[in-house]
Amino acid sequence: SQTIHQWPATLVQPVGSPLSLECTVEGTSNPNLYWYRQAAGRGLQLLFYSVGIGQISSEVPQNLSASRPQDRQFILSSKKLLLSDSGFYLCAWSAPFGTQYFGPGTRLLVL
Amino acid sequence: GQQLNQSPQSMFIQEGEDVSMNCTSSSIFNTWLWYKQEPGEGPVLLIALYKAGELTSNGRLTAQFGITRKDSFLNISASIPSDVGIYFCAGQLSGSQGNLIFGKGTKLSVKP
Repeated sequence: SQTIHQWPATLVQPVGSPLSLECTVEGTSNPNLYWYRQAAGRGLQLLFYSVGIGQISSEVPQNLSASRPQDRQFILSSKKLLLSDSGFYLCAWSAPFGTQYFGPGTRLLVL
Repeated sequence: GQQLNQSPQSMFIQEGEDVSMNCTSSSIFNTWLWYKQEPGEGPVLLIALYKAGELTSNGRLTAQFGITRKDSFLNISASIPSDVGIYFCAGQLSGSQGNLIFGKGTKLSVKP
């Protein structure tokens, strides 16, 4: 069966510091991968999605970036965090055109 | 852009009551999904609907894909305290590479 992992589970970072969140999927190959942000426990905002290694589509322009160095690895990064980057970050995977399944999330607090 | 209107925004009910929530859109979807999210966790898929008119049950949960393909509802029968959480609908547009459009969620509170 497929599983999706995210780490860290919780992160507290100062403003202006860099960020790297990791997501990995097991039990499937060539998945579509997604990064979402959720503020205040409501509403999911799609940030990035990827249909293959090195292929990244951005939905919302901001100071975040994503990379997919391996088939089942998706990384969310920032060079300099802003206060407004605080939130709950969710990674999801799907088969092409399939149903999305979410990871456990990373709670980010920028101070 | 496309939007999903999910209602109600929140519900406070007594244990044992039935619950109904729905999502509507001006766009036509080829898939409707319902997720439940508990505090501090990722959304968990409850029911997936793939055909207009489809009615699917998962235990005490029942969901339907509207015949116009623009709406869906989720019913929970005989609610229990562990039903507490935020329920999200999501729709997948034709040709969207699998990307989903999410409703803003229905926050369910159940009083024992």
